[in-house]
Amino acid sequence: DAGVTQSPTHLIKTRGQQVTLRCSPKSGHDTVSWYQQALGQGPQFIFQYYEEEERQRGNFPDRFSGHQFPNYSSELNVNALLLGDSALYLCASSLERGGLDTQYFGPGTRLTVL
Amino acid sequence: QKEVEQNSGPLSVPEGAIASLNCTYSDRGSQSFFWYRQYSGKSPELIMSIYSNGDKEDGRFTAQLNKASQYVSLLIRDSQPSDSATYLCAVNPGYGGSQGNLIFGKGTKLSVKP
Repeated sequence: DAGVTQSPTHLIKTRGQQVTLRCSPKSGHDTVSWYQQALGQGPQFIFQYYEEEERQRGNFPDRFSGHQFPNYSSELNVNALLLGDSALYLCASSLERGGLDTQYFGPGTRLTVL
Repeated sequence: QKEVEQNSGPLSVPEGAIASLNCTYSDRGSQSFFWYRQYSGKSPELIMSIYSNGDKEDGRFTAQLNKASQYVSLLIRDSQPSDSATYLCAVNPGYGGSQGNLIFGKGTKLSVKP
């Protein structure tokens, strides 16, 4: 049973650049959520995708955008990177149709902005 | 502002002892509650979910929920050095369908001494 996968593992960018992170959900899951985890903090919700649409959004600026594809995989895009965007970006998948809300996390992408 | 509060620790217990981790939440309408374990540099790993008042046991782990007091706890019996990690409490406020976003506490760092 394939778990949640994310790519790349690590990424280094400079201020002002753009980045795209990718996520494939756990086999059979249809919902993808993205979280940002700064050092020493709990994950913070960015947004959630279901049926290829953004269903919920946390308190993040429009520089953060995303997409979900027909195969349920998802991308997170961040434009005009700031130093404060340096964090671990986590993707979590879950199954809406099962009526269950348990979210399983991928290994994360460590983004460093210089 | 919906909040989840945890003692940051570190909580230090000897090997074989019971570790008790606590969490309070602000949104009385919250529907479901989760404990995740996060090793340093890794992503959160689901340990337990709990939805109803009372206790739920899984192996050495027991989750306790008291919705009237807005309180969730995790007990780890026979603690092992491999249990040393940060434990994240997460709450689903229950809006946006069955798949709400998760609100996390900052985590409690547990250290189990041999």
